Amino acid sequence: QVQLVQSGAEVKKPGASVKVSCKASGYTFTLYGITWVRQAPGQGLEWMGWISTYNGNTDYAQKLQGRVTLTTDTSTSTVYMELRSLRSDDTAVYYCARDMEVPDSWGQGTLVTVSS
Amino acid sequence: EIVMTQSPATLSVSPGDRATLSCTASESININLAWYQQKPGQAPRLLIYGASTRATGIPVRFSGSGSGTEFTLTISSLQSEDFAVYYCQQYNNWPRYTFGQGTKLEIK
Repeated sequence: QVQLVQSGAEVKKPGASVKVSCKASGYTFTLYGITWVRQAPGQGLEWMGWISTYNGNTDYAQKLQGRVTLTTDTSTSTVYMELRSLRSDDTAVYYCARDMEVPDSWGQGTLVTVSS
Repeated sequence: EIVMTQSPATLSVSPGDRATLSCTASESININLAWYQQKPGQAPRLLIYGASTRATGIPVRFSGSGSGTEFTLTISSLQSEDFAVYYCQQYNNWPRYTFGQGTKLEIK
């Protein structure tokens, strides 16, 4: 069955960077893109960006441009999300999701806490 | 950016009753709308895409309708496991999604 397994929770200081992984299994990795969505505590869902696992093309939310980078490793069926210059309002659960037209299967989420 | 607005923010319904949730887009999105269910501590779960097509494994009590700017999610006979937060999401600007702010469906 389709599975997306994300790396574990992180605690970071303001100004630091975090890199979250998302390992896919149960389907042909390069046939689907991967979308990243985050959710601040008690808040709604915010789209962060998308990557083609086929050719590495990316698209990022304007508010995160310059701070977020998505990369893909087809040899391990893993996508990485790196967020730099972390601020307290980056504290959130970060989700990856398989995406062909809509995100249809989601990872379990990774809590990133930014605190001094 | 397409803004998605959901109403009401909270809906109180008794088990066995029907629930109707609304979602409005700031401009026409054709039928490029999805609905998700999210329970506490869990990832969102895709319910509906294409405004009215149920995702794999979704019970028939969940139905979606609408096109253009106005959309509705109906749950025909609420079960205990249906009480959750529901989000609509437009993908007319794929992959630049925007989500509604959510409707919390609670037990009356």
